[in-house]
Amino acid sequence: LAKTTQPISMDSYEGQEVNITCSHNNIATNDYITWYQQFPSQGPRFIIQGYKTKVTNEVASLFIPADRKSSTLSLPRVSLSDTAVYYCLVIGSNYQLIWGAGTKLIIKP
Amino acid sequence: KAGVTQTPRYLIKTRGQQVTLSCSPISGHRSVSWYQQTPGQGLQFLFEYFSETQRNKGNFPGRFSGRQFSNSRSEMNVSTLELGDSALYLCASSADRWSPLRSGEQYFGPGTRLTVT
Repeated sequence: LAKTTQPISMDSYEGQEVNITCSHNNIATNDYITWYQQFPSQGPRFIIQGYKTKVTNEVASLFIPADRKSSTLSLPRVSLSDTAVYYCLVIGSNYQLIWGAGTKLIIKP
Repeated sequence: KAGVTQTPRYLIKTRGQQVTLSCSPISGHRSVSWYQQTPGQGLQFLFEYFSETQRNKGNFPGRFSGRQFSNSRSEMNVSTLELGDSALYLCASSADRWSPLRSGEQYFGPGTRLTVT
C-alpha cells in the first residue's frame, strides 16, 4: 500500500518557482498521482494529475521520474495568492486513496 | 453551474449525541465521497457513494454511516459522538466514480465544521 510523504511546510517569495516533492515509495503500477490546493475554510481544489514523465496545465507542472517513487509539483512565478496547503494524493485502480499530510506553502512579498 | 454545497456549515454537539450532515453534489454528478479532516490526521477517506450504493469505505467505526438519494444528494450520520469526532467534514462530488482516477477531478464543498463538547 502506497504511503505518501511530503514536507510539512515551505517558504518562498513572489515571482519564484516553487517545487514541492511528494514521496510515494510503494506506488503500484496502475496508481495515479494527483495534487490538490486548499485555502483556509475551503475544500481542496484539483490542480493536476499525472501517471509518468511530465504533465503541464495552465497553473502547474507535475514531474514524475521513471521509477515513479516520487513526484514534484512545480508552481511557476508564485504570487501571494498561492499561499495555501498543497496535498499529494495517490489513487489506486481499486479506489484506494492515499493522501499526503499536506505542505503548507507560505509566499512572502 | 453551482458547486458542491454542504449544510450546515458549522455545528456544535455534545458527546453521545448524533449528527447528520448533508451534501448536494454538482448537478449531473453521481458520485459523492466523504472525508474527515483534522489537524492531526489530515484528510481521511470515509466512504464513497455512487448510484445510491456505498462503493468504498475507509477505516472508520460503524458509528459513521451514510446514504445517497436518487437525486445524488448524500447524507452522513455520526452516532454516539466522541470528542475525537471534532473535525471538518468534506464532501466531494465527481461525474462518476472513476473520474478521480481517470482525470483526477473531484470537486469539494466548503465542509461542515463539527465541534463536539
